[in-house]
Amino acid sequence: AQSVTQLGSHVSVSEGALVLLRCNYSSSVPPYLFWYVQYPNQGLQLLLKYTSAATLVKGINGFEAEFKKSETSFHLTKPSAHMSDAAEYFCAVSDRGSARQLTFGSGTQLTVLP
Amino acid sequence: EAQVTQNPRYLITVTGKKLTVTCSQNMNHEYMSWYRQDPGLGLRQIYYSMNVEVTDKGDVPEGYKVSRKEKRNFPLILESPSPNQTSLYFCASRPAGTGGHEQYFGPGTRLTVT
Repeated sequence: AQSVTQLGSHVSVSEGALVLLRCNYSSSVPPYLFWYVQYPNQGLQLLLKYTSAATLVKGINGFEAEFKKSETSFHLTKPSAHMSDAAEYFCAVSDRGSARQLTFGSGTQLTVLP
Repeated sequence: EAQVTQNPRYLITVTGKKLTVTCSQNMNHEYMSWYRQDPGLGLRQIYYSMNVEVTDKGDVPEGYKVSRKEKRNFPLILESPSPNQTSLYFCASRPAGTGGHEQYFGPGTRLTVT
């Protein structure tokens, strides 16, 4: 079964600093990979996804993620944090060709300090 | 507007009192899922459905039931709720096909069982 590990349940950065949220997956076959964001008292919103095209994926709100097969990683980055980026971020995987739904990581709460 | 709706948004109930959380989507999606979100555990899939009358267990199905009699609706039923089912519940839908499609999430239902 697929599993997803998000290192760091809480990450704090200063406004304007680099955001780096880590995600590693376990699979011998590259899966589909997703980053979702959850703002307080809201549902989940897709930030970006990797489905086998370019390994560097650009998403909404200035976020991007790079798929690295050799490291089984899909880390999320943003060059300059904004206060509005404060939220919980979830990495998720889905097996290719499977009807099975998403497997989520445990989430990373991002705090942006003024 | 394309959306997934859930009702109720908040529910406080007592142990053993049967309840149903409704989920409806207006995007004609084949796949629908229920997840529960608990602190430090991310989202875990309860049940999913690939189409009308086709459902299957997710990772944490114990204590829950679902039905899919219409394509747009996917209610979650707790026949005899217990305090360990206190959680935040999300319904999601996506088109059929491989797992590379984005899932669309409802706003969530916060359930408290006393």
